[in-house]
Amino acid sequence: AQTVTQSQPEMSVQEAETVTLSCTYDTSESDYYLFWYKQPPSRQMILVIRQEAYKQQNATENRFSVNFQKAAKSFSLKISDSQLGDAAMYFCAYRSAFPLGGRRALTFGSGTRLQVQP
Amino acid sequence: NAGVTQTPKFQVLKTGQSMTLQCAQDMNHEYMSWYRQDPGMGLRLIHYSVGAGITDQGEVPNGYNVSRSTTEDFPLRLLSAAPSQTSVYFCASSPGTPQTSGYEQYFGPGTRLTVT
Repeated sequence: AQTVTQSQPEMSVQEAETVTLSCTYDTSESDYYLFWYKQPPSRQMILVIRQEAYKQQNATENRFSVNFQKAAKSFSLKISDSQLGDAAMYFCAYRSAFPLGGRRALTFGSGTRLQVQP
Repeated sequence: NAGVTQTPKFQVLKTGQSMTLQCAQDMNHEYMSWYRQDPGMGLRLIHYSVGAGITDQGEVPNGYNVSRSTTEDFPLRLLSAAPSQTSVYFCASSPGTPQTSGYEQYFGPGTRLTVT
């Protein structure tokens, strides 16, 4: 079974600064997807960025980028130019590329609460 | 499109009561699933469905039933609520096949359930 670990329960960053959230995972599979989800106080789960394991190039979405290290099974999220609206819980998640029985289950980490200081 | 909708947003139950959490999507997605979120933990899969008439268990299925009579709806039933089922429940849907466009999951707004 796959596991996802987020070792930073809370992080804080100054507005306009850069912050990196850590995520490690354990799997024996070679093909999979990795995701970062944002959960603001509204509870809505919002997809921030995704990475296909077969792609060596790190994914980027505007101010959000990842550092994907497949051999090290590491998938960190970098938020540049942090804004007050970035304050939220951030979850790292894993999904098999070829799930058995069509089960597209996401395996989540325990989350990192990000505070943005003005 | 309304996306994935869930009702109710909040619910308080007494131990032993039953209820159904509703989930609907208007995107014609084949795949739907239910997760629960507990403090200090990520979301965990309860049940899922790969299409109408087909359901299967996830990681934490005990105490919950599901059915999928239509593509649009995927209700979650608690037959006899227990305090351990106090949680936030999310419904999600996903299009296509897992190997193509189906890797993105769209989440509903969640239902906060308290069992006393």
